[in-house]
Amino acid sequence: KNEVEQSPQNLTAQEGEFITINCSYSVGISALHWLQQHPGGGIVSLFMLSSGKKKHGRLIATINIQEKHSSLHITASHPRDSAVYICAVTRDRGSTLGRLYFGRGTQLTVWP
Amino acid sequence: EPEVTQTPSHQVTQMGQEVILRCVPISNHLYFYWYRQILGQKVEFLVSFYNNEISEKSEIFDDQFSVERPDGSNFTLKIRSTKLEDSAMYFCASGGNPYGYTFGSGTRLTVV
Repeated sequence: KNEVEQSPQNLTAQEGEFITINCSYSVGISALHWLQQHPGGGIVSLFMLSSGKKKHGRLIATINIQEKHSSLHITASHPRDSAVYICAVTRDRGSTLGRLYFGRGTQLTVWP
Repeated sequence: EPEVTQTPSHQVTQMGQEVILRCVPISNHLYFYWYRQILGQKVEFLVSFYNNEISEKSEIFDDQFSVERPDGSNFTLKIRSTKLEDSAMYFCASGGNPYGYTFGSGTRLTVV
């Protein structure tokens, strides 16, 4: 069973478009993490959320604890945003920095 | 910003051989993890450390795997008698304040 589900699995956009990636989870969490995996395989942490909304540059992450749902938005998308975006959670019995349970990722391709 | 350093970046080994993967976490982080990602699949948890002790192991982390901290700072992941299905990207990650979760760049292991 998957504790974390993401949609869509693949996403293609034109440069400049507004992008939304969705994440739903089925367990109690202490935090939700959005990660970016580059084509070479490296993983970078983008956001860690326990409630509300966070913004960093053109990236915005929101979470609705009651609905067990989070979204990652990219405004004014650019080809350099092309990557796999992964949603992961830490369970509510542990630290916000505890073991991660991963979604399958969303492959984003932005064309110029 | 400090980095988590993994070596080697690539490793090719014969089936049945032992491999050792190395990781240098961020120095003041108390949480440490090994994960792996088989090509085309989601990231899987292997083992976690908290405050220098193993805190959790997955069902994947059987007698074939071991983790050591030989000099009090670096971590090693040893895989004994490698199998073809051990081919994957292996990530280490450390967690702590103020940087949150930080991943290494990964070791791509190929068993032939």
